[in-house]
Amino acid sequence: DAGITQSPRHKVTETGTPVTLRCHQTENHRYMYWYRQDPGHGLRLIHYSYGVKDTDKGEVSDGYSVSRSKTEDFLLTLESATSSQTSVYFCAISGNWGQPQHFGDGTRLSIL
Amino acid sequence: SQQGEEDPQALSIQEGENATMNCSYKTSINNLQWYRQNSGRGLVHLILIRSNEREKHSGRLRVTLDTSKKSSSLLITASRAADTASYFCATDDGDDKIIFGKGTRLHILP
Repeated sequence: DAGITQSPRHKVTETGTPVTLRCHQTENHRYMYWYRQDPGHGLRLIHYSYGVKDTDKGEVSDGYSVSRSKTEDFLLTLESATSSQTSVYFCAISGNWGQPQHFGDGTRLSIL
Repeated sequence: SQQGEEDPQALSIQEGENATMNCSYKTSINNLQWYRQNSGRGLVHLILIRSNEREKHSGRLRVTLDTSKKSSSLLITASRAADTASYFCATDDGDDKIIFGKGTRLHILP
């Protein structure tokens, strides 16, 4: 498996609280991505990064922010979590845009 | 939005049979990829086919691409219990968008 880990793997929190998910890679890949996976919607891109401090929005970016201060770490933050953000979140990495992506095993997030 | 749509949504076959699933998309693409997802795990890349290719093989996997019909198919031959998973296509339109479909759930019966 590509060296990519997500933390935490599971989290339950309350509406209105801030939440940060972490993605860590050991592959030195340039691109990192955050997706959410929901029944009936498949995988949807939230944000992605193409280098340190270089990020861009995906399909469903509202309510989410990201940061990448080091090549190996990509953080996803929900500033004020809502129940609609209950989902499974996946981080992925790739060497370049359009190349095969390697995925972490996901974070199951429940917002009560 | 451009999105790969897999068909069928779910498929059950006997072990040893071949499984075929299809993906349709809406606009021109640079490449199309297929991924597998086992329950509770992340996606695993299976195969990438470029827009100028018509067919690719990888072990028991065969992928075809018909850009005139904007469709691709994934064939898994001689299926095994371990092939039970969800399969997704993902299209890269060359315009900073990679779109995943909703997936086909494949169940291999013993």
